[in-house]
Amino acid sequence: AQTVTQSQPEMSVQEAETVTLSCTYDTSENNYYLFWYKQPPSRQMILVIRQEAYKQQNATENRFSVNFQKAAKSFSLKISDSQLGDTAMYFCALANGGATNKLIFGTGTLLAVQP
Amino acid sequence: DAGVIQSPRHEVTEMGQEVTLRCKPISGHNSLFWYRQTMMRGLELLIYFNNNVPIDDSGMPEDRFSAKMPNASFSTLKIQPSEPRDSAVYFCASSLSRRSGNTIYFGEGSWLTVV
Repeated sequence: AQTVTQSQPEMSVQEAETVTLSCTYDTSENNYYLFWYKQPPSRQMILVIRQEAYKQQNATENRFSVNFQKAAKSFSLKISDSQLGDTAMYFCALANGGATNKLIFGTGTLLAVQP
Repeated sequence: DAGVIQSPRHEVTEMGQEVTLRCKPISGHNSLFWYRQTMMRGLELLIYFNNNVPIDDSGMPEDRFSAKMPNASFSTLKIQPSEPRDSAVYFCASSLSRRSGNTIYFGEGSWLTVV
């Protein structure tokens, strides 16, 4: 069975600071993909970043980067220079590689960026 | 490019009424997913389609729920009869599935309140 665990229900960070959100997962597949989605108060699910398990290089998207530790099955999200607009719920998600893959979500981390 | 389009955005209905949620996936995508989000259960996959065919409906809570995808550009999720515990945000998502991996894009969600 596939599982995704986010052990931090809530986090807070000062504007312009850096914050790291944790995520661990479990899968028996060799080919899989990991994602971070952001859900602001509007409830829209917005893709933040994606990582292919077969790539050793950590994905980066502007202020967002991941620390992917495959052996430890860890996939943390680092947000640099936090902005007020980063305040949201962040979900870590896992999908198997394959013709059709479905996302398994963690329970989310509520991030509050303080001015 | 238009994203995943869902309607209605908000619906309030009385217990026992039929509810139909609609979804138009991103053009060219061949996989479609219906998710439900509640405070208690988080994000749950209800059903997904590949090339208009239901692949896995194990997440559909009970017979009151049904989903159809008559063509590549339209899907419905129907609840009949609705109950207060069905109150949730229902997300439709789509992706272009291929063995090299794909990203799942979400609509803005349909907020359902059953009173």
